[in-house]
Amino acid sequence: GAGVSQSPSNKVTEKGKDVELRCDPISGHTALYWYRQSLGQGLEFLIYFQGNSAPDKSGLPSDRFSAERTGGSVSTLTIQRTQQEDSAVYLCASSPRLAADTQYFGPGTRLTVL
Amino acid sequence: SQKIEQNSEALNIQEGKTATLTCNYTNYSPAYLQWYRQDPGRGPVFLLLIRENEKEKRKERLKVTFDTTLKQSLFHITASQPADSATYLCALDARGYQKVTFGTGTKLQVIP
Repeated sequence: GAGVSQSPSNKVTEKGKDVELRCDPISGHTALYWYRQSLGQGLEFLIYFQGNSAPDKSGLPSDRFSAERTGGSVSTLTIQRTQQEDSAVYLCASSPRLAADTQYFGPGTRLTVL
Repeated sequence: SQKIEQNSEALNIQEGKTATLTCNYTNYSPAYLQWYRQDPGRGPVFLLLIRENEKEKRKERLKVTFDTTLKQSLFHITASQPADSATYLCALDARGYQKVTFGTGTKLQVIP
């Protein structure tokens, strides 16, 4: 079946603009994760969804970042008033069950804020 | 504070040799540890999971060890090939939490 997909694959925006990043998890996967990866850095956890609820938002860097998940499937990560330091690759992953077991990653969205 | 350490320096080895990558952690009591592979421009791909009560796990040319006393996992690739060149990430669960935390990864280069 299809893997995790993300769109757009690349996004270039101007400082101060809002952006929306989309993640389509593997069908039937309950858990969904968003990470950020800056150049040469590890994965920085942003937020985790269990179904449509987000029990762990501890990684969101600021109140400019928000995420939602509808229908237990598609998720969007929104960054308002983007800053240059938001430039990174945003990765989405899904896993079948409640526990943080094997995660299946999408290809990521490369965000560049000019 | 909780910390996961992987060698940030790239590891260069000759084709055919065994590559060994290290993942050390502090202030964790993980129930399990995972290893992922990441190629440039792509998301990580799961390789192996080892649980706290397992000392060693194998999958084809891959072997992972998990020493909860030393707080260390070793990841071995035997008979390495240039196609094994990638960044390898370890990830630990935080017991009781529904997420894993990733290390920064070690870049492996297998030289023909």
